Amino acid sequence: GAVVSQHPSWVICKSGTSVKIECRSLDFQATTMFWYRQFPKQSLMLMATSNEGSKATYEQGVEKDKFLINHASLTLSTLTVTSAHPEDSSFYICSARDLGAPLIFGPGTRLTVL
Amino acid sequence: DAKTTQPPSMDCAEGRAANLPCNHSTISGNEYVYWYRQIHSQGPQYIIHGLKNNETNEMASLIITEDRKSSTLILPHATLRDTAVYYCIVRPDTGTASKLTFGTGTRLQVTL
Repeated sequence: GAVVSQHPSWVICKSGTSVKIECRSLDFQATTMFWYRQFPKQSLMLMATSNEGSKATYEQGVEKDKFLINHASLTLSTLTVTSAHPEDSSFYICSARDLGAPLIFGPGTRLTVL
Repeated sequence: DAKTTQPPSMDCAEGRAANLPCNHSTISGNEYVYWYRQIHSQGPQYIIHGLKNNETNEMASLIITEDRKSSTLILPHATLRDTAVYYCIVRPDTGTASKLTFGTGTRLQVTL
């Protein structure tokens, strides 16, 4: 069946540095991918919709200059957290959907900013 | 998207059926009921979805009331590995660009 993978599964970085998270659709093409963020003991919050070949659509309150999204191919979307700070520490999850199938989620990337 | 209401937590003994309710009284005619679960520190996992008929797959059964204002997810024989947060989401099926909005879900604790 369709699978969504993420890399890395966890990352620790210093404050002020940038971190890139990859999301890949395996065995299917995804013109649209979604990026979510989840803080401890909270539900998933949609951050942005990644569109292949065009600009991402960001949810209200999400800084597009801080969370850069690139969807350069039909199987890969990347989220770059620029100038990361401790408050950006969170669990980042991407999702995608194959035609006729329900939305499936990647395993998530845990970001810790020191 | 229609709003859903779920109990914050439930307990279930291992081997018993877990029945998780969801109210969606403002659901529209073209909105499906989706169920996902999230085991700790993992991405959400799709369980089942339906429009108006009851549905069953290898993981669970979904019972939707005739007026579609509520539904119940049934795990027929809960195991410890079913301990997770279960999310009920309603939304129209608009193709690959259809996003999901998560509520707070029900934390199911399966015990020995």
